[in-house]
Amino acid sequence: QLRLRESGPRLVKPSETLSLTCIVSGGSISSVSYFWGWIRQPPGKGLEWIGNIYYRGSTYYNPSLKSRITISVDTSKNQISLKLSSVTAADTAVYYCARQRGGVTGMFDFWGQGTLVTVSS
Amino acid sequence: QSVLTQPPSVSGAPGQRVTMSCTGNSSNIGAVYDVHWYQQLPGTAPKLIIYTNNIRPSGVPDRFSGSKSGTSASLAITGLQAEDEADYYCQSYDSSLSASVFGGGTKLTVL
Repeated sequence: QLRLRESGPRLVKPSETLSLTCIVSGGSISSVSYFWGWIRQPPGKGLEWIGNIYYRGSTYYNPSLKSRITISVDTSKNQISLKLSSVTAADTAVYYCARQRGGVTGMFDFWGQGTLVTVSS
Repeated sequence: QSVLTQPPSVSGAPGQRVTMSCTGNSSNIGAVYDVHWYQQLPGTAPKLIIYTNNIRPSGVPDRFSGSKSGTSASLAITGLQAEDEADYYCQSYDSSLSASVFGGGTKLTVL
């Protein structure tokens, strides 16, 4: 059974860089059929797509976050990573990684449990 | 403000049928892009319940159904059960933004 697990610091100071890793188990991140994405959810609010990556390294970012985002893939470790720079309190959210099927317009069919990241001094 | 518009809340009694809408425009739902629906129970990650407008993943009860017409999509739930109480989100792709987009979510209350 596919499993995605997010990990990283739960507390980040304003203006610093948020860094998260998503480890994929039970399946290969190098599958030609899938993209791998990050989605976030501020407390009490809705879902926001952050960006996607294909195993070959091509990336797709939310235009509203593009200047601050870097998503990378490490196929040897079967994981993807997210870096979000210059964070503010507005970046406080539960961050999910998810598998996307059907290309960049497709559905997110498997999700990690999410990790709450708080931006505070 | 979400690109896709969903009503903030809907409610229904056990056994009833409820529907919730997801309204977009000609750059997303009104274009060729499919709509997908997710159920989020309190404190859990979203779960895919409808994809490609009207297809249920394995294990999702046939009480859940989806449709798409023009610039809108709908999720219907029949035979409402207490366990259906959750937040529901629609998702599509927007060509003008070159981005996946979500609706703001609809909170379903089972009375």
